[in-house]
Amino acid sequence: AQSVTQLGSHVSVSEGALVLLRCNYSSSVPPYLFWYVQYPNQGLQLLLKYTSAATLVKGINGFEAEFKKSETSFHLTKPSAHMSDAAEYFCAVSGQAGTALIFGKGTTLSVSS
Amino acid sequence: GAVVSQHPSWVICKSGTSVKIECRSLDFQATTMFWYRQFPKQSLMLMATSNEGSKATYEQGVEKDKFLINHASLTLSTLTVTSAHPEDSSFYICSARAEPGTGASGANVLTFGAGSRLTVL
Repeated sequence: AQSVTQLGSHVSVSEGALVLLRCNYSSSVPPYLFWYVQYPNQGLQLLLKYTSAATLVKGINGFEAEFKKSETSFHLTKPSAHMSDAAEYFCAVSGQAGTALIFGKGTTLSVSS
Repeated sequence: GAVVSQHPSWVICKSGTSVKIECRSLDFQATTMFWYRQFPKQSLMLMATSNEGSKATYEQGVEKDKFLINHASLTLSTLTVTSAHPEDSSFYICSARAEPGTGASGANVLTFGAGSRLTVL
């Protein structure tokens, strides 16, 4: 069985500051890990995914995440926050490619000027 | 790239009526689609896995007679909320898995629809 825990339901940063959104996973098999962003009243947009290749994954809009097996973590970072990054972010896991994703509870990112 | 379309994007209905939501893979074949439900400011909860030509597999606690899923073709799955009540009001999101060699880039990639917001009065 797989699960993810997102630490912090709400993160606030200033524009230009580092963004760090935390995700820890639990999986009985090597996991596939994902980060999605959701803007109000919209669907999900894939930011990046880890599928057992490189442990440092680069995604869209300047985001990246590092898979750390020893820490069972897959934290999402961005060096410099932009106002347009304000949204809901979800970490998700699956045990096999193409199977249903199990989502974390989400983290709301607020960016202030 | 792979595109999944959901229709309608927004629907309001009266209590007791049934509502059908469509999920279409526009440029690839999807033998498997997944239906999620999202309550306001909450995460996505997997409701069921829809397989083309066979019965859907429902997650524990999801009423299969309440949420009818039909996956009649390789590009279309439908979710029908029967006898809807206000507590069924939610955001419903589907995702489709692109099968290798079916026209989508990236085998076994899950693509999400934009979601359908249901409000039951």
